[in-house]
Amino acid sequence: GESVGLHLPTLSVQEGDNSIINCAYSNSASDYFIWYKQESGKGPQFIIDIRSNMDKRQGQRVTVLLNKTVKHLSLQIAATQPGDSAVYFCAENAGGKLIFGQGTELSVKP
Amino acid sequence: GAVVSQHPSWVICKSGTSVKIECRSLDFQATTMFWYRQFPKQSLMLMATSNEGSKATYEQGVEKDKFLINHASLTLSTLTVTSAHPEDSSFYICSASSGRPSYEQYFGPGTRLTVT
Repeated sequence: GESVGLHLPTLSVQEGDNSIINCAYSNSASDYFIWYKQESGKGPQFIIDIRSNMDKRQGQRVTVLLNKTVKHLSLQIAATQPGDSAVYFCAENAGGKLIFGQGTELSVKP
Repeated sequence: GAVVSQHPSWVICKSGTSVKIECRSLDFQATTMFWYRQFPKQSLMLMATSNEGSKATYEQGVEKDKFLINHASLTLSTLTVTSAHPEDSSFYICSASSGRPSYEQYFGPGTRLTVT
């Protein structure tokens, strides 16, 4: 399940299950959105992006959905693997600057 | 392609001293570089944006005299934390953009700064 507050929200899933990570963004004028994966002690790693003129984009095992009406992004990871355990951030491009969401820590149980 | 490096990967310094962190774009020219700070269990917060040959633009609440940014070439930007204090201990991450397209940023591996 998920928990919010002063700590990073966490999502715990069983290996092989699908994961859905959600993100609310703030600026209705943002035209580009990115999901990043960050492992402990490392920089963000690009996963997938989507332009504001799209509502869905698929990559390898990942899908990003964009709902501009409610300013919501989601990242779906199919057949989640232990190597997917990390913190996931959404980011929106606002006037050439990236604004990062709070992040969700994904924990995959073998 | 699009590799960004940072040096050092970690540094420990004493309170009151200054420390410099380098960010390099290895295989492309970065017209714009960005510096972020990340505290444990928190998100990345943009500190400043620097364009090659220009003064950096700092985000609200970031002291420009404390965090000196230099972007002297198209492949190198430096962040100097002056008179560091324990509260400056953080993970500092840079990113670089070639400007084509303007919204694509490539991130470095980060630098862990610990001030004792």
